[in-house]
Amino acid sequence: SQQGEEDPQALSIQEGENATMNCSYKTSINNLQWYRQNSGRGLVHLILIRSNEREKHSGRLRVTLDTSKKSSSLLITASRAADTASYFCATVGRDDKIIFGKGTRLHILP
Amino acid sequence: DGGITQSPKYLFRKEGQNVTLSCEQNLNHDAMYWYRQDPGQGLRLIYYSQIVNDFQKGDIAEGYSVSREKKESFPLTVTSAQKNPTAFYLCASSKHLLLKGQPQHFGDGTRLSIL
Repeated sequence: SQQGEEDPQALSIQEGENATMNCSYKTSINNLQWYRQNSGRGLVHLILIRSNEREKHSGRLRVTLDTSKKSSSLLITASRAADTASYFCATVGRDDKIIFGKGTRLHILP
Repeated sequence: DGGITQSPKYLFRKEGQNVTLSCEQNLNHDAMYWYRQDPGQGLRLIYYSQIVNDFQKGDIAEGYSVSREKKESFPLTVTSAQKNPTAFYLCASSKHLLLKGQPQHFGDGTRLSIL
């Protein structure tokens, strides 16, 4: 069963612009994680935010979490060509199960 | 460098054949996972193991089997009972339980196709 649902499914922006991806989920979580996947490769962990946190930063990444709306967003600032990838949110429930969304495909245009 | 190694990168299966996908980690992680990814889809959990000699079914375990005889190794067998095995298979590991806020580390996957 899918828990996290990313929005939009695909996003194309010009290099240098900011990219925002959203994730909505249905049930209570312990933490929420964002991953990046380059084509044909495995996933790379980007950032983890716990249910009692509202915002976290890591370099050009900013993640917010709103547990009342059951949603999270990932902001990538000053995008680069190397940011072209699929981005997945994954929720970890109180039963320790992790569930991945279907991802947002981000394409950075030169 | 520590990491997760999956082999082979590409694998072809004939009808009625069992095939085994290898996953080895040198991160000293306790937990290991197998996922299946279909085009345009998220990851679906097949099996996971939190400790040696113990493993649990995930959401889509039918037609698959695993073993965890060593901490470093978690091979996945795709049996002939799995009627639609064509997919990208990803192995992952984490230091401890995910509930404790552990990220997962992934291998680069094995792409399985049917001949």
